[in-house]
Amino acid sequence: DAGVTQSPTHLIKTRGQQVTLRCSPKSGHDTVSWYQQALGQGPQFIFQYYEEEERQRGNFPDRFSGHQFPNYSSELNVNALLLGDSALYLCASSLKGFPRETFGSGTRLTVV
Amino acid sequence: AQKVTQAQTEISVVEKEDVTLDCVYETRDTTYYLFWYKQPPSGELVFLIRRNSFDEQNEISGRYSWNFQKSTSSFNFTITASQVVDSAVYFCALSENSGGGADGLTFGKGTHLIIQP
Repeated sequence: DAGVTQSPTHLIKTRGQQVTLRCSPKSGHDTVSWYQQALGQGPQFIFQYYEEEERQRGNFPDRFSGHQFPNYSSELNVNALLLGDSALYLCASSLKGFPRETFGSGTRLTVV
Repeated sequence: AQKVTQAQTEISVVEKEDVTLDCVYETRDTTYYLFWYKQPPSGELVFLIRRNSFDEQNEISGRYSWNFQKSTSSFNFTITASQVVDSAVYFCALSENSGGGADGLTFGKGTHLIIQP
């Protein structure tokens, strides 16, 4: 039974570019959340998707957007990349009504 | 707004010692969930435990135990007879319940635990 899978594992982008990160939730899960983890910090909640709608959003600018597909997979898009967007981006999935998120291994984004 | 504080940035102990990781939280909700996650160098967050706000029973799982005290808004984690494999960053997290299911997690800054052989 596959857990949460994220792609790519590593990515290097130039300031000002746009990036798309992908996440496949654990089998049976219908809710996907995204987190940003800067070096030496705890993860920060970006947003959560359920039934293809953004259900909740953390304190992140509109440059961060997402999407959930009918098969529950999800994408995180970041526009106009800044050096400060360099971080580990973690995807987590859960089943609505059962508060326990399973995390993927993350995508390490470096903005140069 | 919710907040989680892990005051211990780094703890270093010798193998077989007991160690306690502190976690203090703030929330205005009466229904919430508390979690501990372990993050090894690989980066993946590994779930350790979840408690809901209505269940203050302490829990023991092997060498791990958790002490939940609503009166002091604390949810501390103790490892008994620590082992080198316990070395990792440990995060305490809080999730409120906004009526549609559990909300996104609010994490503390983490405690880097180093177990020396």
